[in-house]
Amino acid sequence: EADIYQTPRYLVIGTGKKITLECSQTMGHDKMYWYQQDPGMELHLIHYSYGVNSTEKGDLSSESTVSRIRTEHFPLTLESARPSHTSQYLCATGSSGNTIYFGEGSWLTVV
Amino acid sequence: AQRVTQPEKLLSVFKGAPVELKCNYSYSGSPELFWYVQYSRQRLQLLLRHISRESIKGFTADLNKGETSFHLKKPFAQEEDSAMYYCALSGPGNQFYFGTGTSLTVIP
Repeated sequence: EADIYQTPRYLVIGTGKKITLECSQTMGHDKMYWYQQDPGMELHLIHYSYGVNSTEKGDLSSESTVSRIRTEHFPLTLESARPSHTSQYLCATGSSGNTIYFGEGSWLTVV
Repeated sequence: AQRVTQPEKLLSVFKGAPVELKCNYSYSGSPELFWYVQYSRQRLQLLLRHISRESIKGFTADLNKGETSFHLKKPFAQEEDSAMYYCALSGPGNQFYFGTGTSLTVIP
């Protein structure tokens, strides 16, 4: 079944650690996005990609990086995590019909 | 710049009462507007989009370009409608901008 998979779903890590949040999709979509969302707050676009080898920064300044080597995969990496990175990270894909679909999210806590 | 505004963070209505969740936007071109919903312990999912002009789960939303609004309405709220609702706008390059969300509680 076509879906968007995010791992890990929940993670607690120490300050200064490197972390990669994985996102893979079987939707067959070219567009992929990463949003950051604090509880009860709006979603902020931090990265997006329109296809392989295409990545752009979103509106929210982020210390994270992304890569798009394969269509199905769009990992998000924090080289040195800080408590300010504690948040929920949502991966999404976009269809040609201009609708986006979300994964279940990854909750990151940096202590 | 704030592109999508949802003025109500919390909204409570009684079961069977009409409900309206407000959304206003700012955009210079021809926007595409959407409503997304997140039920408890579920992922964010599309509820409806303005170009479809459809009713989903009894909800409708009309794009009013003069008032730059895209309010979500339902004539008779049900308990299962309790959720978080986000208004979204698709801008240049298919970037999506979301409002801050409205938490709807339907009181039995």
